[in-house]
Amino acid sequence: DSGVTQTPKHLITATGQRVTLRCSPRSGDLSVYWYQQSLDQGLQFLIQYYNGEERAKGNILERFSAQQFPDLHSELNLSSLELGDSALYFCASSVDAGQAGELFFGEGSRLTVL
Amino acid sequence: AQKVTQAQTEISVVEKEDVTLDCVYETRDTTYYLFWYKQPPSGELVFLIRRNSFDEQNEISGRYSWNFQKSTSSFNFTITASQVVDSAVYFCALSQGNQGGKLIFGQGTELSVKP
Repeated sequence: DSGVTQTPKHLITATGQRVTLRCSPRSGDLSVYWYQQSLDQGLQFLIQYYNGEERAKGNILERFSAQQFPDLHSELNLSSLELGDSALYFCASSVDAGQAGELFFGEGSRLTVL
Repeated sequence: AQKVTQAQTEISVVEKEDVTLDCVYETRDTTYYLFWYKQPPSGELVFLIRRNSFDEQNEISGRYSWNFQKSTSSFNFTITASQVVDSAVYFCALSQGNQGGKLIFGQGTELSVKP
């Protein structure tokens, strides 16, 4: 158990809909990262928040947005969903902004778009 | 641009065999980090090791060992006396020194260990 909690574990929805994925980092960790794992793109970095502020951005679509709240949990919002958004979405956390390098991953939220 | 290549898509071995998973990386940075993660069938990503670009010492942890060679831009992972529980997808990843959490992953190598 990494200590990173993601909900929901599984989610099935339809094209055009909007979903929110939630992540609670390990106790004491200030950084939260979102990654997407799909069959065609592999594991891709989406975005990082550190202590409430956006720190780094990857290949995140404009239809996707994220935020980190004062209690350090984070949400990833996916809107106008397309079939290609079906993927496993991972949240990870680390104690600092990433210099130490060790990321602890949650078990992922599997999104299926029908 | 940064890139990680895991040329072996799938490897199948019989229990107790040794197996090496290859990882080749590309980066122009002088400070960077290399990682290995394990993804068992249950789906979570399990951290195995992190090395920085200034530390080329090989590392051994039980049946696992890692060989980091800057001259060939490789960071290979060897499992000695493999076990069925080692069956998983293994990912090699790279990050820049100042963006340690922004990992660039290879495509992964699926290891199947048969009894």
